[in-house]
Amino acid sequence: GENVEQHPSTLSVQEGDSAVIKCTYSDSASNYFPWYKQELGKRPQLIIDIRSNVGEKKDQRIAVTLNKTAKHFSLHITETQPEDSAVYFCAAPRTSGAGSYQLTFGKGTKLSVIP
Amino acid sequence: GAVVSQHPSWVICKSGTSVKIECRSLDFQATTMFWYRQFPKQSLMLMATSNEGSKATYEQGVEKDKFLINHASLTLSTLTVTSAHPEDSSFYICSASAIQETQYFGPGTRLLVL
Repeated sequence: GENVEQHPSTLSVQEGDSAVIKCTYSDSASNYFPWYKQELGKRPQLIIDIRSNVGEKKDQRIAVTLNKTAKHFSLHITETQPEDSAVYFCAAPRTSGAGSYQLTFGKGTKLSVIP
Repeated sequence: GAVVSQHPSWVICKSGTSVKIECRSLDFQATTMFWYRQFPKQSLMLMATSNEGSKATYEQGVEKDKFLINHASLTLSTLTVTSAHPEDSSFYICSASAIQETQYFGPGTRLLVL
C-alpha cells in the first residue's frame, strides 16, 4: 500500500513570507496528488491537486510541484496571510480491487502565519 | 459545485445506543463514498469505502458489525455506529467522489458518547 510522509509537522512564518510543505510517497504508480486545508473543527477543503503528467501547477498564491523520479511533491504558499493558518494535508491514491480511489493522507502540517 | 452535506453536525448519546450519520452529495452523483475518523490533532483515518449498491470495504481493524454502512443511492450513504461506547467518541467525516479520484468532504459529525 501507499505510504505518505509529510514534513514539517508544524510551521510558523511571518505574514508575507513563503511557506513550503513537503511530502514523499512510496508507490511509483501513484498519479494524483491533492492538497487539503483544514481549519479547526471544519471539513478538509481541496485547495490544489496535480496529476503526474505535469511537474508544476499554480493557482494564485498556491503552487504544487511534483518530482516523480524522487517520489515527492511540495506545496508552496507565497505572500502568506493570517487566514492561511490551518492544518494542511497531502495525500496520494491507492487503488482498491473494486476500482475506487482511496487516499492515503500525510499526518498534516499545522501552519501558523504570524501577523 | 461538488457540495457534500453531512447530518447531524454533532450528537451526544448514551453508551449503548446507536447513532446514524448521513452523508449526501448535493450536486453530483457519487460513485464512491468514504468514511473517515479523525481524533484531535491527528490525520484522517479511512474507516471504509462504499460503492453504490454494493457492500462496503472496511479497513483493517474496523469492525464491520459495529460500523454499519449503507450506500443505497448515488447521493446518499449512511454510517451507523451500533452500541456506541465512549471510545467511539470522535469526529466522523465522509467524502464523496465521482468518476475521478478527487474527494470532496462533508462538514463532519462530532460524536460524544457519555
